[in-house]
Amino acid sequence: EADIYQTPRYLVIGTGKKITLECSQTMGHDKMYWYQQDPGMELHLIHYSYGVNSTEKGDLSSESTVSRIRTEHFPLTLESARPSHTSQYLCASSRWGGLDGELFFGEGSRLTVL
Amino acid sequence: GESVGLHLPTLSVQEGDNSIINCAYSNSASDYFIWYKQESGKGPQFIIDIRSNMDKRQGQRVTVLLNKTVKHLSLQIAATQPGDSAVYFCALQGAQKLVFGQGTRLTINP
Repeated sequence: EADIYQTPRYLVIGTGKKITLECSQTMGHDKMYWYQQDPGMELHLIHYSYGVNSTEKGDLSSESTVSRIRTEHFPLTLESARPSHTSQYLCASSRWGGLDGELFFGEGSRLTVL
Repeated sequence: GESVGLHLPTLSVQEGDNSIINCAYSNSASDYFIWYKQESGKGPQFIIDIRSNMDKRQGQRVTVLLNKTVKHLSLQIAATQPGDSAVYFCALQGAQKLVFGQGTRLTINP
């Protein structure tokens, strides 16, 4: 079992609200990622970080922001949620020196914006 | 850029039979490929990987085959079990990130 945790697992909120999705890992991994996934569809990278104070945008344009103040914590924030943000958000981590493609994923945060 | 596609969005097999899930990619320069399994309500889980200097790699009940000539990748699951029910994604290593395909939902019939 991977030691990476996401909260909340499910969130239903109204348009215009600010939300933060939490992600924490206890494996000491330097690399962390946020993916967006619609049901049954492929994963799209929206943010990644290679270490503390390092954050980069992924391929999929996203209005969300991330921060990496501590190695183990990589929260994602939406300042003003809209229905188009409804999706599942998956956090993952990996380590330098590990298998290049071996990401450890959390169980996801399913966001519904009304 | 790179792209990854799966041939079938769904696959249904009898318990005990072998399953074969296929994947195609577009960039002939891709040199590292990975298969992930995603069970309902969970995040994807790494299954097996293969580099382009190999054409076959085996794990526990799983085999990945790589055909670079036709840019095709497959995952074979031997003696499929109910616990194999999941969505399977192939992915390839792009520039600084993994590129995922759309996924095949594997259903096991008793």
